[in-house]
Amino acid sequence: DAMVIQNPRYQVTQFGKPVTLSCSQTLNHNVMYWYQQKSSQAPKLLFHYYDKDFNNEADTPDNFQSRRPNTSFCFLDIRSPGLGDAAMYLCATSRGDRGGEQYFGPGTRLTVT
Amino acid sequence: GESVGLHLPTLSVQEGDNSIINCAYSNSASDYFIWYKQESGKGPQFIIDIRSNMDKRQGQRVTVLLNKTVKHLSLQIAATQPGDSAVYFCAENRRAGSARQLTFGSGTQLTVLP
Repeated sequence: DAMVIQNPRYQVTQFGKPVTLSCSQTLNHNVMYWYQQKSSQAPKLLFHYYDKDFNNEADTPDNFQSRRPNTSFCFLDIRSPGLGDAAMYLCATSRGDRGGEQYFGPGTRLTVT
Repeated sequence: GESVGLHLPTLSVQEGDNSIINCAYSNSASDYFIWYKQESGKGPQFIIDIRSNMDKRQGQRVTVLLNKTVKHLSLQIAATQPGDSAVYFCAENRRAGSARQLTFGSGTQLTVLP
């Protein structure tokens, strides 16, 4: 029944070693979002895809990239993780035409050593 | 600048009592708000939403009130249960290009006491 799936749930990477987080959805939604959530803070939008159109938030560091090869999958690439990038990364989807509810995945907890 | 913020970072209530979580926003043009519940180790879960053409909306055990005059909204949870313990976020849902984006408030940790 899972609608937004994130793998892995926990990821440990080394300082400076590239890492990729994955998200998939079974809802066939047009829009997919990536959020960063640090401890005791609100989720912060990094970027989103509306279909194949990529929309980056102005304050998202260049270190963060994303790919969406098809409707169902979206990836978050962190090119050179720093200690400050340790966080929960949340993927969400929505139907662009309705513009309403976003469905969140369970998140991937990233640790940088 | 634009922001969505919460009045209190923590709230403790006795099981069975009603809970009220408050949220203030600064953008008078905001027209759509959503409350999310986030349990530990999980992603945010939609609770209820409200558009600016409404003052009140009710769901199952939850009610959201919107006061546009003072730019304030609240989430009321009736007969609070242990399973309601979580962090609650209000979020502004605004259009950005073709899609819509959420701007979250800082969150309130609700603890239900036995």
